[in-house]
Amino acid sequence: KNEVEQSPQNLTAQEGEFITINCSYSVGISALHWLQQHPGGGIVSLFMLSSGKKKHGRLIATINIQEKHSSLHITASHPRDSAVYICAVPDSNYQLIWGAGTKLIIKP
Amino acid sequence: ETGVTQSPTHLIKTRGQQVTLRCSSQSGHNTVSWYQQALGQGPQFIFQYYREEENGRGNFPPRFSGLQFPNYSSELNVNALELDDSALYLCASSFRTSEQYFGPGTRLTVT
Repeated sequence: KNEVEQSPQNLTAQEGEFITINCSYSVGISALHWLQQHPGGGIVSLFMLSSGKKKHGRLIATINIQEKHSSLHITASHPRDSAVYICAVPDSNYQLIWGAGTKLIIKP
Repeated sequence: ETGVTQSPTHLIKTRGQQVTLRCSSQSGHNTVSWYQQALGQGPQFIFQYYREEENGRGNFPPRFSGLQFPNYSSELNVNALELDDSALYLCASSFRTSEQYFGPGTRLTVT
């Protein structure tokens, strides 16, 4: 069993839809990262959170430490949101353990 | 923009050659991590440097080596390049356990 699991692996939606990507982890963590990678591009850190909820524009990230689960939501999705979304957690040496990523495609 | 820069952006090398990739950390950050991302794959952790010392290493052979300088910038060196070394190489800087900020990456092609 992978230490960090994401679902779904692939997600295609219409512009304007509300998007949810889930992440479950099995290790004890100090914080969880959500990252975004566009095709052929580098990685952008979206959120680092250790409790509750964070919001940035149309992106919302929540985490439930007891249930070891986090979600990334996108409201009013747009084709430019099309990317791979990755959750990652640091191990005891602060090195990131990566989920497999969720490939999101938003159709106009 | 994160303030983390990498150079060069693209590089083509021949099998057997050596390559040095560079990363400048965001101001105030003392930790640099390097990752290799092959096409269509997730990033694989290579190693991390904290205050100029290696602070952990992934499953990469010794021909992958690194340095961190007093200004916390960093280099990744790869000797005896192999075709499978073709990948996007990402560095990320942080202040110890804080959020990691990624550079744009260096795309290395080995022919």
